[in-house]
Amino acid sequence: GQNIDQPTEMTATEGAIVQINCTYQTSGFNGLFWYQQHAGEAPTFLSYNVLDGLEEKGRFSSFLSRSKGYSYLLLKELQMKDSASYLCAVRSIGGKLIFGQGTELSVKP
Amino acid sequence: GAGVSQTPSNKVTEKGKYVELRCDPISGHTALYWYRQSLGQGPEFLIYFQGTGAADDSGLPNDRFFAVRPEGSVSTLKIQRTERGDSAVYLCASSSSGGLNEQFFGPGTRLTVL
Repeated sequence: GQNIDQPTEMTATEGAIVQINCTYQTSGFNGLFWYQQHAGEAPTFLSYNVLDGLEEKGRFSSFLSRSKGYSYLLLKELQMKDSASYLCAVRSIGGKLIFGQGTELSVKP
Repeated sequence: GAGVSQTPSNKVTEKGKYVELRCDPISGHTALYWYRQSLGQGPEFLIYFQGTGAADDSGLPNDRFFAVRPEGSVSTLKIQRTERGDSAVYLCASSSSGGLNEQFFGPGTRLTVL
């Protein structure tokens, strides 16, 4: 079966660092994506990992361990505008994305 | 350039009616995906087109759902005999055939079945 788990919600303070974890069990793997989704808006692409290791992109970094079926998204220097839902998604060999339920992040002043 | 567009942005219908949802992908993108998102959940895959053909329709919940992409660009998702459980946001995404192939999402159509 296909299963992607991530925490339902997290709270962090402006200026801090937060790590959102994602574990997955899927029948095929062709990369792991992180998307950001503000309420009422479309998901927007944040990062992509297909090989093990850390990918850094400004304030956002994403890590992947394929042997452990594990990824995390790291957000540094949090800003109020980072309050959103963060979606972990595994791309299947065929191309479709299988999403987790999303982690609702609230950034407090 | 223009992103993925979807029309209508909102659709309210009555149980049992037929609806059509339209997706206009990014120009030149050969792959087109439909997803459905319920409140508090991640998007759920419905169907994927490569060009004009449906490469994977394994996510369509039942035979009331059908989608077409006759000219390899615009796609229409069709739902017959709508049920209250069909209420959700229907998202469309497109991607190119090379490189990272990240999917770019449209703003979605919010479907409400009364």
